[in-house]
Amino acid sequence: QSALTQPASVSGSPGQSITISCTGTSSDVGGYNLVSWYQQHPDKAPKLMIYEGTKRPSGVSNRFSGSKSGNTASLTISGLQADDEANYYCCSYAGSSTWVFGGGTKLTVL
Amino acid sequence: EVQLLESGGGLVQPGESLRLSCAASGFTFTNYAMSWVRQAPGLGLEWVSAISGSGGTTNYADSVKGRFTIGRDNSKNTLSLQMNSLRAEDTAVYYCAKHPSANWGFDYWGQGTLVTVSS
Repeated sequence: QSALTQPASVSGSPGQSITISCTGTSSDVGGYNLVSWYQQHPDKAPKLMIYEGTKRPSGVSNRFSGSKSGNTASLTISGLQADDEANYYCCSYAGSSTWVFGGGTKLTVL
Repeated sequence: EVQLLESGGGLVQPGESLRLSCAASGFTFTNYAMSWVRQAPGLGLEWVSAISGSGGTTNYADSVKGRFTIGRDNSKNTLSLQMNSLRAEDTAVYYCAKHPSANWGFDYWGQGTLVTVSS
């Protein structure tokens, strides 16, 4: 049950695009198309942004998109806005009804 | 509207026990698996435990196995987490989270309840 690997921080200017990576193993990210991404503002509960690797829940902006290649999943945010500044976590199903999160990435909008 | 409301957090000493509850509403509770996810101060999210909709299947992270017990009362739409032999490293905000029909993660979260383990 080792945590998925995410960069500690990323940054971008308003209007730009950024990508956050999430690297796991063949036992989690690479073994299932079951990666989800969460946005968390300070002192708030996490909010689902992407599920099943590429799907957006109703109400989430189409500026958020997900992808996966091998053992690495990615979250891309285009047209950065000030309110996108938050912590982002990836999560993968890891088999046998267990889940594993990434360590989190702090996004700073410059 | 799905709502998850945790309660039961507080300050306890190492070795003591605490029981968390999560009141669920806005969906057919028995149809969905539920989990507890925690977040230590200033750190990331950690999945703790999950339980199937019927309550017949439970799973735990290695860090809490043998000390924590997840449960649910489908007649009261309530999820619980019994935490025994608490350690300082169990200090965290504990979130109740709902699973969707598939296994990809968590579609709704509660606001969390803080558990502090300190002497």
